[in-house]
Amino acid sequence: DSGVTQTPKHLITATGQRVTLRCSPRSGDLSVYWYQQSLDQGLQFLIQYYNGEERAKGNILERFSAQQFPDLHSELNLSSLELGDSALYFCASSVAGRGNIQYFGAGTRLSVL
Amino acid sequence: QQQVKQSPQSLIVQKGGISIINCAYENTAFDYFPWYQQFPGKGPALLIAIRPDVSEKKEGRFTISFNKSAKQFSLHIMDSQPGDSATYFCAARVTGTASKLTFGTGTRLQVTL
Repeated sequence: DSGVTQTPKHLITATGQRVTLRCSPRSGDLSVYWYQQSLDQGLQFLIQYYNGEERAKGNILERFSAQQFPDLHSELNLSSLELGDSALYFCASSVAGRGNIQYFGAGTRLSVL
Repeated sequence: QQQVKQSPQSLIVQKGGISIINCAYENTAFDYFPWYQQFPGKGPALLIAIRPDVSEKKEGRFTISFNKSAKQFSLHIMDSQPGDSATYFCAARVTGTASKLTFGTGTRLQVTL
């Protein structure tokens, strides 16, 4: 168990809808990262937050947004969902200053029908 | 653009054999090269990592070989065991971009009895 908790484990929704994925980092970790894993694109970095502030941005669509709250949990919001957004979404966390070691949650599997 | 190319896509090795997975990168700014192991239904977990100032790093049965001039690195699993059956991802980090990891596309390893 990595200590990173993601909810829900599975999410099934329809095109055009909006969903929120939640991540609780390991105790004491200030950095949270979001990744998308799809069959054709592999693991793609989306965005990183450090202690509530956005630190780095990857190939995140404008329809997607994230935030990190004062208690350090993070949410990834996906809106106007398309079939192609179906994927596994992973959250990872790391200790401040040791971002090289990222601990991943078990992921949320999103199915857009 | 795939900045980290990984091969093979899948690999079948007999128990006790050596598993070899290769990665090649393009961006010479990469300064950290981890390998992640992912079991079905789980998130990726850090297995072993190397920095470009060394050519080899060994941890137990797992060894990373790094060739800076060729911009290639590989994972060797000695005495492969059925419990090693998983998907392996190489990754790389770009200097100065916080802790964003760029992943390879993954190799599904199956170790047979």
